[in-house]
Amino acid sequence: QLQLQESGPGLLKPSETLSLTCTVSGGSVSSRTYYWGWVRQPPGKGLEWIGSADYSESTYYNPSLKSRVTISVDTSKNQFSLRLTSVTAADTAVYYCARLELQFDFWGQGTLVTVSS
Amino acid sequence: QSALTQPPSASGSPGQSVTISCTGTSSDVGGYNYVSWYQQHPGKAPKLMIYEVSKRPSGVPDRFSGSKSGSTASLTVSGLQTEDEADYYCTSYAGSNSWVFGGGTKLTVL
Repeated sequence: QLQLQESGPGLLKPSETLSLTCTVSGGSVSSRTYYWGWVRQPPGKGLEWIGSADYSESTYYNPSLKSRVTISVDTSKNQFSLRLTSVTAADTAVYYCARLELQFDFWGQGTLVTVSS
Repeated sequence: QSALTQPPSASGSPGQSVTISCTGTSSDVGGYNYVSWYQQHPGKAPKLMIYEVSKRPSGVPDRFSGSKSGSTASLTVSGLQTEDEADYYCTSYAGSNSWVFGGGTKLTVL
């Protein structure tokens, strides 16, 4: 069974860079069938697609975040990563990694990232 | 890229049916048959319930069904059970490898 697990710092200061990693087990990020994506959820609010990448590192980003986001795939470690620069309090959210085909079919448990001075 | 529109809340009694709508535009819901629905219980990750408008993943009860008309997709939960109480989100492919979510609907089982 495919499993995804997010990891990374839970507390950042404004202007710092958010870096999260999603480790995939029970499947391969090298698959040509799937994309690998990030979705976030501010406390008490709805879900927001951040972006997606495939094994060849073709990347696609939410236009509202595009200037600050980078998603990369490391096939040697079977991981993919999210980098979000210049964070503010508005970036405080639970960040989920997920497998994406034409739907987000497997999700990580999520990790809370808080931005506070 | 604007969020899809869902009602903030919906409710029904055990055994009843409830339908949640998800309205977009011709650039997302109306343009593609790639609408999916997710159930999220408090503190948990979303769970895929419906994909490609009306298909159910293995293990999802057939009480959950999906449909689409024009730029509005719908999720119907029949025979409501207490464990169906959760937040529900729709999402749609929006072209150019982009995705848009709905704002979410809190389903209460009275």
